[in-house]
Amino acid sequence: GAGVSQTPSNKVTEKGKYVELRCDPISGHTALYWYRQSLGQGPEFLIYFQGTGAADDSGLPNDRFFAVRPEGSVSTLKIQRTERGDSAVYLCASSLSGVGGTEQFFGPGTRLTVL
Amino acid sequence: GNSVTQMEGPVTLSEEAFLTINCTYTATGYPSLFWYVQYPGEGLQLLLKATKADDKGSNKGFEATYRKETTSFHLEKGSVQVSDSAVYFCALSDSERDDKIIFGKGTRLHILP
Repeated sequence: GAGVSQTPSNKVTEKGKYVELRCDPISGHTALYWYRQSLGQGPEFLIYFQGTGAADDSGLPNDRFFAVRPEGSVSTLKIQRTERGDSAVYLCASSLSGVGGTEQFFGPGTRLTVL
Repeated sequence: GNSVTQMEGPVTLSEEAFLTINCTYTATGYPSLFWYVQYPGEGLQLLLKATKADDKGSNKGFEATYRKETTSFHLEKGSVQVSDSAVYFCALSDSERDDKIIFGKGTRLHILP
């Protein structure tokens, strides 16, 4: 596809459940980022992948959050034992290299609602 | 740590008015600076950027100059249009490390016809 895609676009779940959010980056982009945007706030960094490895996971709020990128392309953000405070829009972005100020291209986001 | 502070909204202007949205930053090293825009119902997109001091980023009539002495990157446009109504985010990244972006809280802009 031409841009970053994310699925699902909306996810409603109950407190305590497990969810997976998927990101398909632009083909050929080695760097992939996850951000979380709460209502009325700017996006906050969660994790950065360079290829298959998580180069910086300093933004993950706790050990309920985990992300993988096993083949260096598609990434999945996994949230265990969801809490109401996890409700937010989860954004994925990709870029060519991940350094030097290369432009990040953002997906449309997944809106997660935890009831 | 690195951070971005931008003026709170909403900002409401009439069409053809002059726009300034203030942004200041705190950073170690020499960050790259950005303005992102989020139009209603659309995803986040890069509006303009500057990667070193005194650089001016520009796009779609918007401009911002990287001022190291005042740690600022104010967004300006000489004559706004209704179609400029959106949320604007000032942001920075440590481009020598990993390019993760730190965003401000956003400023909602309403342009009245």
